[in-house]
Amino acid sequence: AQSVTQLGSHVSVSEGALVLLRCNYSSSVPPYLFWYVQYPNQGLQLLLKYTSAATLVKGINGFEAEFKKSETSFHLTKPSAHMSDAAEYFCAVNAGGGNKLTFGTGTQLKVEL
Amino acid sequence: NAGVTQTPKFRVLKTGQSMTLLCAQDMNHEYMYWYRQDPGMGLRLIHYSVGEGTTAKGEVPDGYNVSRLKKQNFLLGLESAAPSQTSVYFCASKDGGNTNYGYTFGSGTRLTVV
Repeated sequence: AQSVTQLGSHVSVSEGALVLLRCNYSSSVPPYLFWYVQYPNQGLQLLLKYTSAATLVKGINGFEAEFKKSETSFHLTKPSAHMSDAAEYFCAVNAGGGNKLTFGTGTQLKVEL
Repeated sequence: NAGVTQTPKFRVLKTGQSMTLLCAQDMNHEYMYWYRQDPGMGLRLIHYSVGEGTTAKGEVPDGYNVSRLKKQNFLLGLESAAPSQTSVYFCASKDGGNTNYGYTFGSGTRLTVV
């Protein structure tokens, strides 16, 4: 069985501050992990993915995530938040080479002036 | 290149009515998926298909049926709509069985059942 847990359904940061969105996974086999972003009234867009190569993964829009096996985590970070980063972010896992992604419940990021 | 196109974008149904949601992709992807998104619950897989003519149940299949008669299309049907099926529905596609590939999502169908 595979699952992801996103800690914090709502996160609020000031513009220019560090963004940290947390994701922990559960998997009995080495996982493939993904972060998706959803802007209002749109579909999901792939931000970045971990596929067992480098543990530090860089994505679009200045986001990156680090795979830590010892902590079963794949947290998403961005050094400096921008107003345009306000969106909902989903962590997802695919373990064992299966055909299905399992999503977390999402984290709504709010960026304040 | 349109990617994944979902129709309709919005729909209001009365309880007991039926409808079909259409998903079309122009990327020649083998795999297609239907998810529903509800507040606080993330995306949950309804049904999926690993190729033309094949379908399989996901996490929450009850009350839905699907068909994949053509590779580019994946239809989601509601035979007798219920208020619990009020949701935003997303279709996604993926190229082949390689887990490295991310999914491409449509922009969603917002369905309200009254």
